[in-house]
Amino acid sequence: DAGVIQSPRHEVTEMGQEVTLRCKPISGHNSLFWYRQTMMRGLELLIYFNNNVPIDDSGMPEDRFSAKMPNASFSTLKIQPSEPRDSAVYFCASRRGQPGNEKLFFGSGTQLSVL
Amino acid sequence: AQSVTQLDSQVPVFEEAPVELRCNYSSSVSVYLFWYVQYPNQGLQLLLKYLSGSTLVKGINGFEAEFNKSQTSFHLRKPSVHISDTAEYFCAVSGRNAGNMLTFGGGTRLMVKP
Repeated sequence: DAGVIQSPRHEVTEMGQEVTLRCKPISGHNSLFWYRQTMMRGLELLIYFNNNVPIDDSGMPEDRFSAKMPNASFSTLKIQPSEPRDSAVYFCASRRGQPGNEKLFFGSGTQLSVL
Repeated sequence: AQSVTQLDSQVPVFEEAPVELRCNYSSSVSVYLFWYVQYPNQGLQLLLKYLSGSTLVKGINGFEAEFNKSQTSFHLRKPSVHISDTAEYFCAVSGRNAGNMLTFGGGTRLMVKP
């Protein structure tokens, strides 16, 4: 099993540009999560999907952030326009089953730097 | 609502010494509890979890944690650390109901010195 796959591994962009982060969850997992990690705020949940449907997006910081899951094997997190304060590591994670019954598997993250 | 507090942002310790990383949580419902580890330049990995049963949970790499309901704590321990244990450790809590998500603490950086 390849695990949760995120791309790109690193992204450097200029303020105002659109950024798209991608995630491929583990096959068979029906829940997908996007987390953001910064030194100041630690790990924050941005949004999570269950069976491709967004369940809770209350963690999405602003309208500049949007996430989609068009099918069970792919999700995107888009920032438009990007700002320097968006610089962080963005993690995607997936899970099968009910909370606590299955492990949450994390991808390696995307290091985003907005200049 | 639920929250997780990791009381120490950094814990320096010498190799082969014991270590305890503290975690306290608050929740209005029954919870599952987790510890995740993040090695440098890597994603998060599950270290151990408490679902039910014995309050002492053993995980990978010699770590263990004890669930204390009265103190709402889930402290992580290892009797003898190695240099390779240097990493960021995150405590997390999840409600037991369907749809509940994982809430993380702020993390504790364990720095093992030779």
